[in-house]
Amino acid sequence: GAVVSQHPSRVICKSGTSVKIECRSLDFQATTMFWYRQFPKQSLMLMATSNEGSKATYEQGVEKDKFLINHASLTLSTLTVTSAHPEDSSFYICSARDPLGGGQYFGPGTRLTVT
Amino acid sequence: DAKTTQPPSMDCAEGRAANLPCNHSTISGNEYVYWYRQIHSQGPQYIIHGLKNNETNEMASLIITEDRKSSTLILPHATLRDTAVYYCIVRVLTNTGNQFYFGTGTSLTVIP
Repeated sequence: GAVVSQHPSRVICKSGTSVKIECRSLDFQATTMFWYRQFPKQSLMLMATSNEGSKATYEQGVEKDKFLINHASLTLSTLTVTSAHPEDSSFYICSARDPLGGGQYFGPGTRLTVT
Repeated sequence: DAKTTQPPSMDCAEGRAANLPCNHSTISGNEYVYWYRQIHSQGPQYIIHGLKNNETNEMASLIITEDRKSSTLILPHATLRDTAVYYCIVRVLTNTGNQFYFGTGTSLTVIP
């Protein structure tokens, strides 16, 4: 099946700094990618939909100025958590839709810890 | 918002079939049902999806009721490695495209 990668797999940053997470579709071109957040023992929560070459669409309650999304190419989307705080500590997961097959494939996730 | 409800947890004996139910009574005619599973601290893994007809692949079978208001995922011979959280998702068409909204899922424990 199609492969989606994320980098880094885990990151620790200090409060007030920014951190960037990359999501790549390795063997297909994804015009649409999605970003999710998952807190411990909870389900995945959709944060935003990222469309190549256009602005991301954020779900209600997600701060677009805090979670910056860039989808500059058909194989790469990035999520930047700006001015991170401890409450931003979470598991961030991306997914990419294969426009040909229609499937949606998830990355392995990035564990962010803000100290 | 998620359009599915699932039991929070289930147990299954190793080697037996695991039948995971899902209710999606508000599903629309063109919305697909997808199943994913998530093993602890990993990204969700695709299992199967369907619209109206029953589907089968190397991992599982998906049985969708005729009225499409519920479905059942069947793992024919559960193994210990099938222990995971299983999510039933209705793919929703919005003005920004097709999106997945995850519900709470079913935590399946396969018992030796």
